[in-house]
Amino acid sequence: GAVVSQHPSRVICKSGTSVKIECRSLDFQATTMFWYRQFPKQSLMLMATSNEGSKATYEQGVEKDKFLINHASLTLSTLTVTSAHPEDSSFYICSARGGLGGYEQYFGPGTRLTVT
Amino acid sequence: AQSVSQHNHHVILSEAASLELGCNYSYGGTVNLFWYVQYPGQHLQLLLKYFSGDPLVKGIKGFEAEFIKSKFSFNLRKPSVQWSDTAEYFCAVQRDDKIIFGKGTRLHILP
Repeated sequence: GAVVSQHPSRVICKSGTSVKIECRSLDFQATTMFWYRQFPKQSLMLMATSNEGSKATYEQGVEKDKFLINHASLTLSTLTVTSAHPEDSSFYICSARGGLGGYEQYFGPGTRLTVT
Repeated sequence: AQSVSQHNHHVILSEAASLELGCNYSYGGTVNLFWYVQYPGQHLQLLLKYFSGDPLVKGIKGFEAEFIKSKFSFNLRKPSVQWSDTAEYFCAVQRDDKIIFGKGTRLHILP
C-alpha cells in the first residue's frame, strides 16, 4: 500500500519559536494533502487541505498565519507552526491522496509537538 | 451542522464477545465511508471502506460494516473480539474532498 511519512516524529520547542513538520508520500504522487490535529483522547480535526502548487484551504477557526502550509511538490507538504505557544502542543497528522486509489487517503504516523 | 456521530465513547468487552460500534452521519448526497483503527502508540490504519456497491463491506482482521443509507448509518461489527482488538476506532465520512472523523470509540477487551 501507499506510504506516507512524517518528520520529525517528536519535537519539543520553546514558546515563541517556529517549528516545521514535513509530510512525504513515499511511493506515489499526492495531488492533495491534508493536515489534521489530534488532541489527547480526542478525534482528528481537519485543519487544512492543500493541493500541489496552490494555496491551502483552511477550515473554519484555523489561523492560516499561524499554521503555514506549503505543498510545493507532489510528494512533499510542510506545516510550519509559527510563534508556537503551549496550547499548540498536539499531535499533528498528515494524509495524502492521489495516484493509486483516487478517493482513498493514506495517513502518516503523526508528529507530536510539545511547546514549553 | 453536518457531523459524524459515534454513539459509544468507551466500550469494554470480554474476549469472544460480539462487537457493534455505531456510526451515524448527517451529510446528504453521496458520501464515502470509512472505519479507521488506532492501536495504542500507533498511527491510523484503515479497517474498511465503502464507496459504492454491496452495502456490507468486509475489512481486515474480521471486521465488517454495513451501510444503511436510509438510516445514514455505517456500523462496525465483529462477531468475536480478541484482546488484540483493544484500540480506538474512528468512523469517518468523505465528502467534498475531505474526510471528517467522528470522536472515536475506545474499545477495551478484557482477556
